[in-house]
Amino acid sequence: ETGVTQSPTHLIKTRGQQVTLRCSSQSGHNTVSWYQQALGQGPQFIFQYYREEENGRGNFPPRFSGLQFPNYSSELNVNALELDDSALYLCASSLNPAGNNEQFFGPGTRLTVL
Amino acid sequence: QQQVKQSPQSLIVQKGGISIINCAYENTAFDYFPWYQQFPGKGPALLIAIRPDVSEKKEGRFTISFNKSAKQFSLHIMDSQPGDSATYFCAASKSGQNFVFGPGTRLSVLP
Repeated sequence: ETGVTQSPTHLIKTRGQQVTLRCSSQSGHNTVSWYQQALGQGPQFIFQYYREEENGRGNFPPRFSGLQFPNYSSELNVNALELDDSALYLCASSLNPAGNNEQFFGPGTRLTVL
Repeated sequence: QQQVKQSPQSLIVQKGGISIINCAYENTAFDYFPWYQQFPGKGPALLIAIRPDVSEKKEGRFTISFNKSAKQFSLHIMDSQPGDSATYFCAASKSGQNFVFGPGTRLSVLP
């Protein structure tokens, strides 16, 4: 059984560009949540995907969008990057949204926007 | 109402001592309260979690105390070890969605 994996590990972009981050959920998990963690802060919920549909969204603008694929892997897309988007982006998978709620986090993608 | 407050911001404890971190929430609809441990360069890892129908849960050296009426919960780490040095986050969610995290507590356990 493999854990949650994310790619790439690090990424440097310039303001205005677009970025796609990828996440493979833990085996058997059909729910993926994305979080933004700024330096020295707690993770902030971006959105959750359950069976390829968005299943809840935090207070993030529409330029943050996502996808979940039939194998339950997921992508986070951010358009028109801003300096404040620099953060660690975490993906977490769970068995289902309203089960035991236990989330397993990946190691994250460190995004730097210059 | 979605905020989870956490204190202290940082904590220094001697090896063998007890580490205590406190959290408070406002939204009474929250029904799941986990604690996560995060080491530098890693994602958060679930330590222990509790639901509001239970006042205390213990797993090894880690204990959650939950006070539903006060809307507070705390993490106690008994016999703290240098390997416990990490950042700890409390969190809350409703029906497994929209997890809200506290700002974190940086714990340092001195040898």
